[in-house]
Amino acid sequence: GAGVSQSPSNKVTEKGKDVELRCDPISGHTALYWYRQSLGQGLEFLIYFQGNSAPDKSGLPSDRFSAERTGGSVSTLTIQRTQQEDSAVYLCASSSLAGVETQYFGPGTRLLVL
Amino acid sequence: AQSVTQPDIHITVSEGASLELRCNYSYGATPYLFWYVQSPGQGLQLLLKYFSGDTLVQGIKGFEAEFKRSQSSFNLRKPSVHWSDAAEYFCAVASPSGNTGKLIFGQGTTLQVKP
Repeated sequence: GAGVSQSPSNKVTEKGKDVELRCDPISGHTALYWYRQSLGQGLEFLIYFQGNSAPDKSGLPSDRFSAERTGGSVSTLTIQRTQQEDSAVYLCASSSLAGVETQYFGPGTRLLVL
Repeated sequence: AQSVTQPDIHITVSEGASLELRCNYSYGATPYLFWYVQSPGQGLQLLLKYFSGDTLVQGIKGFEAEFKRSQSSFNLRKPSVHWSDAAEYFCAVASPSGNTGKLIFGQGTTLQVKP
């Protein structure tokens, strides 16, 4: 079956612009996670959605970052007023249930802020 | 603070040789433990996981890992490495309470395989 998909695969933007990154989880998966992979910080948790519960935003690095999940499926990560330090690969993962179930990762969106 | 340490940033082994990748964690209680692999241009793939029970865990692609509570370690092993195993390997932990599955990753170990 289809895995987790993310779009765009690559995004180049100018400092100060807003960007939106999209994640399509595996159908039926109720848990969705965003992570960031950068050279300086490695792999970091950003935000987590589970069903209709309030999202866990504890990993978001600043208030320029936000995410939503519409209809319990597709998720969008928005970065406002991008900075050069936001350059990274943004990974999305989904699982059938939060906690012990395996997280399946998408291929990521590579963001470059000039 | 919770953390995961992978002491080896880069490892080179010959094809057919055995492999051990080290992982140590710092956590208040025994966390859930994971090993992921990331091949060039590919997403992260789960190799194996440990929650409880038998401390020797078998995974995909011939990998295994052993949990040692006394050493706070979860080292990954493979008896005979194949060229296709060249990739970056990440150890990760998640809290057993709250059941959120949020992963804390180590910095990764890059494996190079010599022919």
